Amino acid sequence: QSALTQPPSASGSPGQSVTISCTGTSSNVGGYNYVSWYQHHPGKAPKLIIYEVSKRPSGVPDRFSGSKSGNAASLTVSGLHVEDEANYFCSSYAGTNTLVFGTGTKLTVV
Amino acid sequence: QVQLVGSGGGVVQPGRSLRLSCEASGFGFRNYAMHWVRQAPGKGLEWVAGLSYDGNHKYYADSVKGRFTISRDNSNDTLYLQIKSLRTEDTAVYYCARDRFDTTSYCDYWGQGTLVTVSS
Repeated sequence: QSALTQPPSASGSPGQSVTISCTGTSSNVGGYNYVSWYQHHPGKAPKLIIYEVSKRPSGVPDRFSGSKSGNAASLTVSGLHVEDEANYFCSSYAGTNTLVFGTGTKLTVV
Repeated sequence: QVQLVGSGGGVVQPGRSLRLSCEASGFGFRNYAMHWVRQAPGKGLEWVAGLSYDGNHKYYADSVKGRFTISRDNSNDTLYLQIKSLRTEDTAVYYCARDRFDTTSYCDYWGQGTLVTVSS
């Protein structure tokens, strides 16, 4: 049950795009389409922004998009807004009714 | 709207026990699987335990097996996490989260978290 690997940090200027990677194995990311992404502002509840690899919940801007290739998933935030500055975590179903989360990426909008 | 309110955290001595609660509202609690996820200081999220909609199937991370027990009371819309023999490495914010389905898939709603600090 090793954590999925994410870069510790990412940054971009308002209006730019940034992509955050999430690398797992064939036992989690590569084996299932239950990859999700969460936006987490410190002290608040994590918020689901992408589910089932590339789907967006109602109310999440289409600036957020997700994809997957093999054992790696990605989150792209286009047209960065200042309020996008937060921690982002990926998650995947890992078989036998378990979940695994990513190490987390702190996104800074400078 | 969906609300999950966690409680029961605090400062606890190593070796003691603690029970966390998560009160759910705004949805049919009995129809959804539920999870506990924790975040140690400065670390990422760690899935701890999951429970089927009816409470009959329980799943745990290897790191907590034997010490943590997840349970639910569907008549009172409440999820629980019993923690025994607390260790300093259990210090974390504990989040309860709803699964999208009646069995494990992904978490769609989260509570605000309750802080557990294990310290002598």
